[in-house]
Amino acid sequence: QQQVKQSPQSLIVQKGGISIINCAYENTAFDYFPWYQQFPGKGPALLIAIRPDVSEKKEGRFTISFNKSAKQFSLHIMDSQPGDSATYFCAASNSNYQLIWGAGTKLIIKP
Amino acid sequence: NAGVMQNPRHLVRRRGQEARLRCSPMKGHSHVYWYRQLPEEGLKFMVYLQKENIIDESGMPKERFSAEFPKEGPSILRIQQVVRGDSAAYFCASSAQGENTEAFFGQGTRLTVV
Repeated sequence: QQQVKQSPQSLIVQKGGISIINCAYENTAFDYFPWYQQFPGKGPALLIAIRPDVSEKKEGRFTISFNKSAKQFSLHIMDSQPGDSATYFCAASNSNYQLIWGAGTKLIIKP
Repeated sequence: NAGVMQNPRHLVRRRGQEARLRCSPMKGHSHVYWYRQLPEEGLKFMVYLQKENIIDESGMPKERFSAEFPKEGPSILRIQQVVRGDSAAYFCASSAQGENTEAFFGQGTRLTVV
């Protein structure tokens, strides 16, 4: 019940394309769903987050889509750029710190 | 305005030694969180501290691990009698307030036990 399943494990996208990463959770008590971006040798940085009262949130080229009934949420990166190459983690919780993290997706944007 | 500072960045310890990891939160932040990350995995919550208090240590192993955040100075994560399985990246995060406020992460300490 405490798991967050993330897919794919790795993803290669051409520059300018759309990168899509998916996550599924089990615990219906979760009400906070952040996405983090992590570059090699660095700590994770909060990218965008959503709460279940909305189905979509957009910030620049980054969009979270949220499907409460399916218990799934996804990150879409539009017009993907080489600088977006990083590992992306989804997470879920009912607090901002005791997050349950997905296993991560290594994203590579090919120039 | 420096971010969350962790040191050392890399730490090598022999089995049975003690490891001390330090975390200085961002200026003005009084809430600190420690996480552990194994290779190819997401982070796992260990402990949440406020100045001089442990708020939530439900993710901490019951033995050999301890954490503190004194009134003055950095937060310390202490691992006694390290074993190979303790090898991981340990991340600290801090926030200005507690729950429902954004936490900012440090660059981590990579502990290797040989």
